[in-house]
Amino acid sequence: DQQVKQNSPSLSVQEGRISILNCDYTNSMFDYFLWYKKYPAEGPTFLISISSIKDKNEDGRFTVFLNKSAKHLSLHIVPSQPGDSAVYFCAAIRASGTYKYIFGTGTRLKVLA
Amino acid sequence: NAGVTQTPKFQVLKTGQSMTLQCAQDMNHEYMSWYRQDPGMGLRLIHYSVGAGITDQGEVPNGYNVSRSTTEDFPLRLLSAAPSQTSVYFCASRETGTGNEKLFFGSGTQLSVL
Repeated sequence: DQQVKQNSPSLSVQEGRISILNCDYTNSMFDYFLWYKKYPAEGPTFLISISSIKDKNEDGRFTVFLNKSAKHLSLHIVPSQPGDSAVYFCAAIRASGTYKYIFGTGTRLKVLA
Repeated sequence: NAGVTQTPKFQVLKTGQSMTLQCAQDMNHEYMSWYRQDPGMGLRLIHYSVGAGITDQGEVPNGYNVSRSTTEDFPLRLLSAAPSQTSVYFCASRETGTGNEKLFFGSGTQLSVL
């Protein structure tokens, strides 16, 4: 049972345009969500997070939106840059629970120059 | 500040061999964990620890053992390697308590079991 789903395995975007990466979850008990970025042969690095009590969090070019009623979150990158080309994972956790992070399967973003 | 350090970076084993993947962190994090990454499967939790002497199972613990004797180290042991354990393994750590949900990852160990 995949509790966190990233249904788009890949996405291509022109440099300067907006990239939108999507993530759906099934467990309404999740109360914290994170996005990670991963380059080849490196470990994932933290990008941005959001608590379930918020619907938006912004950090520079990166914004995460959370729609709790739809159990959906999205990561917006504006403007997209070639260096953003990587695999993006969303993750969810019950902050007061068992420290078990559930990751999605990832979306490979390619930003075209 | 080195963060989370994993060794080795690459390893090839024969079926039935044993080995230990090392993980060390210098951030004084109580929580440490091991994940494996497989194509189309994302990152799956193997084992985790919330402090020295305390370990628990994740989603895919079979075939792996862990122990936590110090805050800094969290080794992952494969007692009898199988081809199904061919994967990339990541160690991660974080502070405990709410408000500290950010996980820090090591650079990974690529393991091939022939």
